[in-house]
Amino acid sequence: QLVLTQSPSASASLGASVKLTCTLSGGHSTYAIAWHQQQPEKGPRYLMKVSSDGSHTKGDGIPDRFSGSSSGPERYLTISSLQSEDEADYYCQTWGTGIRGTFGGGTKLTVL
Amino acid sequence: QVQLVESGGGVVQPGRSLRLSCAASGFTFSRYGMHWVRQAPGKGLEWVAAMSSDGGTRYYADSVKGRFTIARDNPKSTLYLQMNSLRVEDTAVYYCAKDYDSSGNDYVDYWGQGTLVTVSS
Repeated sequence: QLVLTQSPSASASLGASVKLTCTLSGGHSTYAIAWHQQQPEKGPRYLMKVSSDGSHTKGDGIPDRFSGSSSGPERYLTISSLQSEDEADYYCQTWGTGIRGTFGGGTKLTVL
Repeated sequence: QVQLVESGGGVVQPGRSLRLSCAASGFTFSRYGMHWVRQAPGKGLEWVAAMSSDGGTRYYADSVKGRFTIARDNPKSTLYLQMNSLRVEDTAVYYCAKDYDSSGNDYVDYWGQGTLVTVSS
């Protein structure tokens, strides 16, 4: 069974950069994932798909400050020039035959 | 632009039924798979069910299999979730979401704003 692991929390200062990690469980290191952002009291928003080769496909209107990358079983979301509105929960999601829709536990990002 | 508007949430007693609807616009509904994802109060996202674009394939989380049924009406651009034998642990905000492609087994690329279902006696 595929499991996505995320750190429960992260923090960074206004204007700085932060890198969030989503780790695919053993044997699934080639799977792509999608990143979603959920601001307080709002529905989620799709940010981007990140493939195993590090390429990423962003959703509509996602700023250039958001980027994705990969290394082995880890998929990353990097947010640069942090703004107050980036304070949110970030979830990764994967999919595939026999996996169905699987979400990580989410990372709560605090902008200091 | 893509819009997904859920409705049908409310307060219901354990064991009773409820049907959620999701009105879609801004894209060709019949070409895409669709999902339901829920979020219990203070918790993370939990995928619930998905359906292919033609309705021929349905997927369910183990936690709802046999109790919930996903359906769609392509001419009406509407997605449904029939929820039977509701339990207290089904209390959550339910989100309708669009699949990236037609399969219903790919990633979500658009979300609705959600509708709250509270199961309580």
